[in-house]
Amino acid sequence: NAGVTQTPKFRVLKTGQSMTLLCAQDMNHEYMYWYRQDPGMGLRLIHYSVGEGTTAKGEVPDGYNVSRLKKQNFLLGLESAAPSQTSVYFCASSYSPGGTNEKLFFGSGTQLSVL
Amino acid sequence: GNSVTQMEGPVTLSEEAFLTINCTYTATGYPSLFWYVQYPGEGLQLLLKATKADDKGSNKGFEATYRKETTSFHLEKGSVQVSDSAVYFCALPGLAGNKLTFGGGTRVLVKP
Repeated sequence: NAGVTQTPKFRVLKTGQSMTLLCAQDMNHEYMYWYRQDPGMGLRLIHYSVGEGTTAKGEVPDGYNVSRLKKQNFLLGLESAAPSQTSVYFCASSYSPGGTNEKLFFGSGTQLSVL
Repeated sequence: GNSVTQMEGPVTLSEEAFLTINCTYTATGYPSLFWYVQYPGEGLQLLLKATKADDKGSNKGFEATYRKETTSFHLEKGSVQVSDSAVYFCALPGLAGNKLTFGGGTRVLVKP
């Protein structure tokens, strides 16, 4: 039972480069989320999706784009990476909206460094 | 909007010591409250939750009571182990109820 799988686990980019982070879940969850984790700031929501084909902005969406073409996958894109996007990125999924009734399931994270 | 504030770490303890991590919240109504834990190198996982005022959530020896009078949800454990070393996050739903809002996290280090 894989749960939530994120790829890649580590990545180093140069400023201005682009990349896509992939999140895949095998639990048939409707809701998926991308968070970033920065020291002292906890987790901040970047974008989320309430179902296949839908996306919505979270707290810190600037500089990121997302797509949910398939229910099991949620992609996070950086079109032109900036040093301020150096962070650990977590994907999560849930049965219920926001994991408010049941828990959020998290991936193991992607460590991204932008030089 | 709904928000949580938790004590900053790091908190360093010896094995078998008592642990308290403070969490206070601001919310409209009485939403469910959560504690998530992140072990080194892993994603977050749900530790415990309470769905209404005066409820006590418990798991793995940890407890937290939903106190509406003091708008608090403090996490406690009576005797910590080295394996409890982790980052602990308090969380609650946003106003729209479609996402969780997390506190800044408290790093706990338990020494043998």
